[in-house]
Amino acid sequence: GAVVSQHPSRVICKSGTSVKIECRSLDFQATTMFWYRQFPKQSLMLMATSNEGSKATYEQGVEKDKFLINHASLTLSTLTVTSAHPEDSSFYICSASPRSGSPLHFGNGTRLTVT
Amino acid sequence: GQNIDQPTEMTATEGAIVQINCTYQTSGFNGLFWYQQHAGEAPTFLSYNVLDGLEEKGRFSSFLSRSKGYSYLLLKELQMKDSASYLCAVSNQAGTALIFGKGTTLSVSS
Repeated sequence: GAVVSQHPSRVICKSGTSVKIECRSLDFQATTMFWYRQFPKQSLMLMATSNEGSKATYEQGVEKDKFLINHASLTLSTLTVTSAHPEDSSFYICSASPRSGSPLHFGNGTRLTVT
Repeated sequence: GQNIDQPTEMTATEGAIVQINCTYQTSGFNGLFWYQQHAGEAPTFLSYNVLDGLEEKGRFSSFLSRSKGYSYLLLKELQMKDSASYLCAVSNQAGTALIFGKGTTLSVSS
């Protein structure tokens, strides 16, 4: 149980375009999902907390107008990287937990390459 | 502030035992997690400690001392497939995101 699905797994886009990444909880409802980013050989850095039915909470230094988060249902959160630039190239991973206090389960991640 | 420290790299041989240490200083504590991450993949959950002591799960065990802000992950009977990054993560508060350490890259050789 507690499966989190993320799509796409890999995307290459041109500088200036936007990319949407979907995160779904397949067998549980998630009022909260978390979006992380990981640069090569570095750890996971929390970008934002996605809250169903309300605005996302962004970590310091993360531009909310650039990384748009929508959590329209209890099983789906989306992250849109707007006007992508090469420095946005990274591994984006979403996560959710079936209940408070239980381990976070991660999607398979999205490898974004901006050319 | 929040700080989670673990060694950057470790090496070991097949069949051996390795202990990966993690120390943490966080504003709150609601549990400590260990994850395994292979290159290019998402992390997978290994273990969870919220009370002091040792949790054993097959070849993997994890220990926690809350008073010392210290945990370790113990891997026994190492296999080549155990070569991966091991991430220590702390939950500050129920329902909030995990804070991750930088990870320990373990290389297992034959």
